[in-house]
Amino acid sequence: GQQLNQSPQSMFIQEGEDVSMNCTSSSIFNTWLWYKQDPGEGPVLLIALYKAGELTSNGRLTAQFGITRKDSFLNISASIPSDVGIYFCAGQGAQKLVFGQGTRLTINP
Amino acid sequence: NAGVTQTPKFRVLKTGQSMTLLCAQDMNHEYMYWYRQDPGMGLRLIHYSVGEGTTAKGEVPDGYNVSRLKKQNFLLGLESAAPSQTSVYFCASSYSKAEAFFGQGTRLTVV
Repeated sequence: GQQLNQSPQSMFIQEGEDVSMNCTSSSIFNTWLWYKQDPGEGPVLLIALYKAGELTSNGRLTAQFGITRKDSFLNISASIPSDVGIYFCAGQGAQKLVFGQGTRLTINP
Repeated sequence: NAGVTQTPKFRVLKTGQSMTLLCAQDMNHEYMYWYRQDPGMGLRLIHYSVGEGTTAKGEVPDGYNVSRLKKQNFLLGLESAAPSQTSVYFCASSYSKAEAFFGQGTRLTVV
């Protein structure tokens, strides 16, 4: 089946630092999505990418859909305490939406 | 607008018992999904549906069954619960093949 490899698995940073995480796949995806999950909640969509090479921003978040359609990255600039959580990439293939293993972000004030 | 609603939110089952998790969405979405989330494993797709009356297997379908008799509801059944099915279950729905919206989750413990 389709597999997404997300890295890093966890990050420990200082408030104000920039963050970068990425996902790679052996399969081509038509859409890449980035979600954030807070404790006890369901994932919430942050950014959706629909075209290879597309670069999209949402406030301090920037994400790109790789040219090969097999990878994507998410950057968070000037991190703040509320950025803490688990970030998931997701790829949409023919019908299924599959997720990476997640990146757990911890911020030291 | 309730979005995606899952019931129950918590449940404890004994090994061998059966139960059904209900997912309801009020957004007229065609696609619905059931995932399980385990520590370090991310979200793994159990079953999904691309429309009323249709279902398909995901990555980890064994031990689960689903039904989509009505467009707004997607049911996940465990016929004979096992401790390995202890997990947090999430339902999601979407208009098309992307931008899925998630419910709050159901925390299931099988003892």
